[in-house]
Amino acid sequence: DAGVTQSPTHLIKTRGQQVTLRCSPKSGHDTVSWYQQALGQGPQFIFQYYEEEERQRGNFPDRFSGHQYPNYSSELNVNALLLGDSALYLCASSLEERRRYNEQFFGPGTRLTVL
Amino acid sequence: AQSVTQPDIHITVSEGASLELRCNYSYGATPYLFWYVQSPGQGLQLLLKYFSGDTLVQGIKGFEAEFKRSQSSFNLRKPSVHWSDAAEYFCAVEGGSTLGRLYFGRGTQLTVWP
Repeated sequence: DAGVTQSPTHLIKTRGQQVTLRCSPKSGHDTVSWYQQALGQGPQFIFQYYEEEERQRGNFPDRFSGHQYPNYSSELNVNALLLGDSALYLCASSLEERRRYNEQFFGPGTRLTVL
Repeated sequence: AQSVTQPDIHITVSEGASLELRCNYSYGATPYLFWYVQSPGQGLQLLLKYFSGDTLVQGIKGFEAEFKRSQSSFNLRKPSVHWSDAAEYFCAVEGGSTLGRLYFGRGTQLTVWP
């Protein structure tokens, strides 16, 4: 049973560029959340997707957008990259019917470096 | 809004010694509380969680945590630390209208001396 997978592992971009990060949830999971973890900080919630809709959103600008596909996989898109967007981006998956137990499983993350 | 404070940025202990990592939360009602561990190059792994009931929670890898409502704390403990426990530890809170959204502390880096 594969856990949460993310691609790519590492990514280097320059300021102003756009980036797409991908996440495949744990088998059977239907909800995907994205977090940003800056160096030396705890993860910060970006948004959560369920039934292909953004259900919750953290305090991130519109440059951050996402998508969820019918197979529950998800993408995080960041436009007009800034140096401050350099971080580890974590994807977490869960099962909606067990939402109250918050059993989120995290992937290994994508390390984004903006030069 | 929910928030979490981990007052210790870095803790060093000797192998075999006991460990306590501190966590204080801010939330009006009874929160859902979590401890996660992150090793280099790895994602977050759930150690334990508290939703309700017994305030002493047992987790994986020999860890336990105690919920103290009067102190708004959820400290993580282990009686005897192993070298493999060296990692970063995050406390998180969730609840209310933001069910499904975790608020993390900034983490505590644990170093274990042989």
